[in-house]
Amino acid sequence: QKEVEQDPGPLSVPEGAIVSLNCTYSNSAFQYFMWYRQYSRKGPELLMYTYSSGNKEDGRFTAQVDKSSKYISLFIRDSQPSDSATYLCAMRGSNYKLTFGKGTLLTVNP
Amino acid sequence: DTGVSQNPRHKITKRGQNVTFRCDPISEHNRLYWYRQTLGQGPEFLTYFQNEAQLEKSRLLSDRFSAERPKGSFSTLEIQRTEQGDSAMYLCASSPPGTVEAFFGQGTRLTVV
Repeated sequence: QKEVEQDPGPLSVPEGAIVSLNCTYSNSAFQYFMWYRQYSRKGPELLMYTYSSGNKEDGRFTAQVDKSSKYISLFIRDSQPSDSATYLCAMRGSNYKLTFGKGTLLTVNP
Repeated sequence: DTGVSQNPRHKITKRGQNVTFRCDPISEHNRLYWYRQTLGQGPEFLTYFQNEAQLEKSRLLSDRFSAERPKGSFSTLEIQRTEQGDSAMYLCASSPPGTVEAFFGQGTRLTVV
């Protein structure tokens, strides 16, 4: 079993839809949970991170962490075609090494 | 541009050749990381520097791989005797002191033919 599991999709939604992206993990030592966005042939771009359990909102993006279930989510409201990209969840513990999911390919259709 | 800079952006090499990639982190970022990403996968950790000290290396980093960060500034990643399985995107990231965020460069895409 991989430490971080993420459904690779692909996921296709109409413009304006609410998108839900999810990851599960097995390592209880993970404390920091990140979401990165990666456009084709580009490096990952950090969207947001949360520490421990709870919610965090940034504009149209909301990140949720449920440590009891070892489950994290990213919600995108009012999705736009420019949101079309691969979304990567990443996690780390007390060291600085990030463990990534496979990424979910999202397409938002106009 | 004050982001993480990686050179070259693309490299095509013949199997058995040595290649070297360079990463220039964001100014005053003391932590620097190398990751490898293959098609359809998330980035995988290779190694990590705090200033000039290499603090952790992944088991993925075989004896053919070596990374340096002289004087705690730029870093190089060298692959000796390249194999077709080394074909991937090599990503560098850096972090400032006391923060969680890691900022990635655009990567170097290596193709071994």
